[in-house]
Amino acid sequence: GAGVSQSPSNKVTEKGKDVELRCDPISGHTALYWYRQSLGQGLEFLIYFQGNSAPDKSGLPSDRFSAERTGGSVSTLTIQRTQQEDSAVYLCASSPQGDNSPLHFGNGTRLTVT
Amino acid sequence: GQQLNQSPQSMFIQEGEDVSMNCTSSSIFNTWLWYKQDPGEGPVLLIALYKAGELTSNGRLTAQFGITRKDSFLNISASIPSDVGIYFCAGQLGGTSYGKLTFGQGTILTVHP
Repeated sequence: GAGVSQSPSNKVTEKGKDVELRCDPISGHTALYWYRQSLGQGLEFLIYFQGNSAPDKSGLPSDRFSAERTGGSVSTLTIQRTQQEDSAVYLCASSPQGDNSPLHFGNGTRLTVT
Repeated sequence: GQQLNQSPQSMFIQEGEDVSMNCTSSSIFNTWLWYKQDPGEGPVLLIALYKAGELTSNGRLTAQFGITRKDSFLNISASIPSDVGIYFCAGQLGGTSYGKLTFGQGTILTVHP
């Protein structure tokens, strides 16, 4: 498929453990975004990568959250010392140029912290 | 974080009826977007609006970018069962903020056959 791919689709972890969520953007898309969707809520911006520029991390809720994008393609969102309030669907999106181009979302990773 | 005020929160309608939902904001946006999300999937873009006052259609969907740039509405005409889902509005500032969308809380649409 040519869409944004996220893995795993579901993740259950114990409070205090670290988790890594992966995103494979659409080939050729230079912009990559992470959003979080809590139950029954809209999407909340987390972080934005555009080409080789420094990422916009202004949406990360705490220093337990970090993200990397290696080689301008695959991205990993890491949550350290997970808390129950981190439970949510984490959505990745990519767009061709990071301008007004529409965002193409993946199906998300549903994270449950017990 | 900041969210748009989207209404109604949910709608239950009969197949064939028209639907209207809207979003308002205290801040100005340069782009308004409408997305649909099906269960277990990511949001899919329905309509993008780039100019204040713009009225855009996509099949049975019509959306408008408010003249004040602080609101937008989405209409769905002659609803069908596959219209069921959650509809989100989103505002985008642009400039260095591309991709930093501010989302509404969503409108859950149920269509009875």
